[in-house]
Amino acid sequence: NAGVMQNPRHLVRRRGQEARLRCSPMKGHSHVYWYRQLPEEGLKFMVYLQKENIIDESGMPKERFSAEFPKEGPSILRIQQVVRGDSAAYFCASSPIGGTEAFFGQGTRLTVV
Amino acid sequence: KQEVTQIPAALSVPEGENLVLNCSFTDSAIYNLQWFRQDPGKGLTSLLLIQSSQREQTSGRLNASLDKSSGRSTLYIAASQPGDSATYLCAVSAPGGSYIPTFGRGTSLIVHP
Repeated sequence: NAGVMQNPRHLVRRRGQEARLRCSPMKGHSHVYWYRQLPEEGLKFMVYLQKENIIDESGMPKERFSAEFPKEGPSILRIQQVVRGDSAAYFCASSPIGGTEAFFGQGTRLTVV
Repeated sequence: KQEVTQIPAALSVPEGENLVLNCSFTDSAIYNLQWFRQDPGKGLTSLLLIQSSQREQTSGRLNASLDKSSGRSTLYIAASQPGDSATYLCAVSAPGGSYIPTFGRGTSLIVHP
């Protein structure tokens, strides 16, 4: 059973471009969480999704950021018109229905130049 | 709103010492608590998960305790080794359907030979 897979591992974007980060949860997991880790800071919750539903997006910036978890395929975190302040590590975690332990991916490190 | 604090923020010790890392949380109504390890530039590795009904968990040289009523957990590392050098993160999950883990900022540990 492969772990949580995130790709790409590293992503470089110029200011104003779009960044798309993908997360494939562990097999059998239907809950996905996205976190952002800024340099020298802790992990901050962004959004919690189940298949085809956003359950809690209280940590998402109101503009430019969106997330989805379609019926088929990976979860996508999309950042439009990136700015330098978006440079961070973005982590995805998954858990099964009724499960309470979160399993994390290796993260995507976004650099905005 | 749940807040998680980890003390100390950084720790540097000689090899062989026994260590205690502290984690405190403001809302004792938690479902579980997880300790993670993060190596520089890497993802999160789950070390120990303690359910709210449990008092402690052990894995090898690691022992984590939980005192829910006082809002505290400790991670005890016995006979530390240079390979233990990493950042250790504490995360608590609350009931209510989402179990979204809330993280502390971590303790950065260096074990020198």
